[in-house]
Amino acid sequence: GAVVSQHPSWVICKSGTSVKIECRSLDFQATTMFWYRQFPKQSLMLMATSNEGSKATYEQGVEKDKFLINHASLTLSTLTVTSAHPEDSSFYICSASRLEGNHEQYFGPGTRLTVT
Amino acid sequence: AQSVSQHNHHVILSEAASLELGCNYSYGGTVNLFWYVQYPGQHLQLLLKYFSGDPLVKGIKGFEAEFIKSKFSFNLRKPSVQWSDTAEYFCAVISYNTDKLIFGTGTRLQVFP
Repeated sequence: GAVVSQHPSWVICKSGTSVKIECRSLDFQATTMFWYRQFPKQSLMLMATSNEGSKATYEQGVEKDKFLINHASLTLSTLTVTSAHPEDSSFYICSASRLEGNHEQYFGPGTRLTVT
Repeated sequence: AQSVSQHNHHVILSEAASLELGCNYSYGGTVNLFWYVQYPGQHLQLLLKYFSGDPLVKGIKGFEAEFIKSKFSFNLRKPSVQWSDTAEYFCAVISYNTDKLIFGTGTRLQVFP
């Protein structure tokens, strides 16, 4: 159990367009979902934390108007990269923690975004 | 602010060699500790975790880690590595206060046959 999926697994878009990435917990309810960004050969950087039904909490330095997060249900969170630029190209990873959990996070497979 | 440091950025070993990867964190309260592995082209997988109890934790694929509270450390070990252990290894910490998972910078392990 505790499977998290992401869609799409990779996406290429043009500068100025918006891209939506979905994160789903497939077999459990997730009170909290997290969005990370991973640059090549570097660690994961937490971008934001989202709780179902409330506004996301963004980490310092992350533009909330650029990275829109919606946590519509206990199994779905979306990250929309608005007006994408080439510097937004990265690997975006989501994770989810269980409703009855103990802080353990389950990670999705990630989405590779390339902005041309 | 909380932080996690991994001292070894890149480790190169031959098969059957023993492995120890260092991890230290900078938080004095109650923490949960994790080691994740990321194989080339794949997503993060949990190797092992410590929440409470026996400080020597056994994980998957023959890995183990020891929590030493006095040293704020959670080092990862494996007695005999295999070529298939080639991957990136991340130490991570959650404190009860913040619920945020803080990752170390990662250690790239290369194992040669």
